[in-house]
Amino acid sequence: AQRVTQPEKLLSVFKGAPVELKCNYSYSGSPELFWYVQYSRQRLQLLLRHISRESIKGFTADLNKGETSFHLKKPFAQEEDSAMYYCALIGRDGSRLTFGEGTQLTVNP
Amino acid sequence: GAVVSQHPSWVICKSGTSVKIECRSLDFQATTMFWYRQFPKQSLMLMATSNEGSKATYEQGVEKDKFLINHASLTLSTLTVTSAHPEDSSFYICSAPGLAGPTDTQYFGPGTRLTVL
Repeated sequence: AQRVTQPEKLLSVFKGAPVELKCNYSYSGSPELFWYVQYSRQRLQLLLRHISRESIKGFTADLNKGETSFHLKKPFAQEEDSAMYYCALIGRDGSRLTFGEGTQLTVNP
Repeated sequence: GAVVSQHPSWVICKSGTSVKIECRSLDFQATTMFWYRQFPKQSLMLMATSNEGSKATYEQGVEKDKFLINHASLTLSTLTVTSAHPEDSSFYICSAPGLAGPTDTQYFGPGTRLTVL
């Protein structure tokens, strides 16, 4: 069964510090992986997806197939990065979009 | 950009009544839409995949007769909670994928807060 695990429910860092939000997955095959973000009182929106290899708002995520991980990183956190972050996976056949439990990131001034 | 709307944004109903929630893709077509349920401080749980012109695919443990899904057009999917009970109170969210289909970026609706008294 496919599964997405985000081990940290809460993560707190200071402004300017590096931040890493962990995501591990299990899937038999090659999945599509995403990071979605939900800012306070806003709907979920895409932050980035592994296939595009883009850096959005300074965030990057590298797919490590050996470790089955897709950790989200940013070298210098900003206060406006405070939000709920969800790692998500979907099979290449488009079936069973699965979300991790989410990590609430708080960036303190 | 792609926008997904939901209506209503919140609803309060009596136990035993049915409630319909609409999910619309405003500026793009979606042959597939997804419905989720989210409990407070918890993640999204996929309930079902709505397919235009055919039956929805339900996740294990989700009652088909309880949560009726109709995807009658390329821009509208509806979720009807039948004979609602207090335990159905939750935040219901829909999403529609981009033009590349289900594996594309999901565009989310703002959610519908259902409270069953």
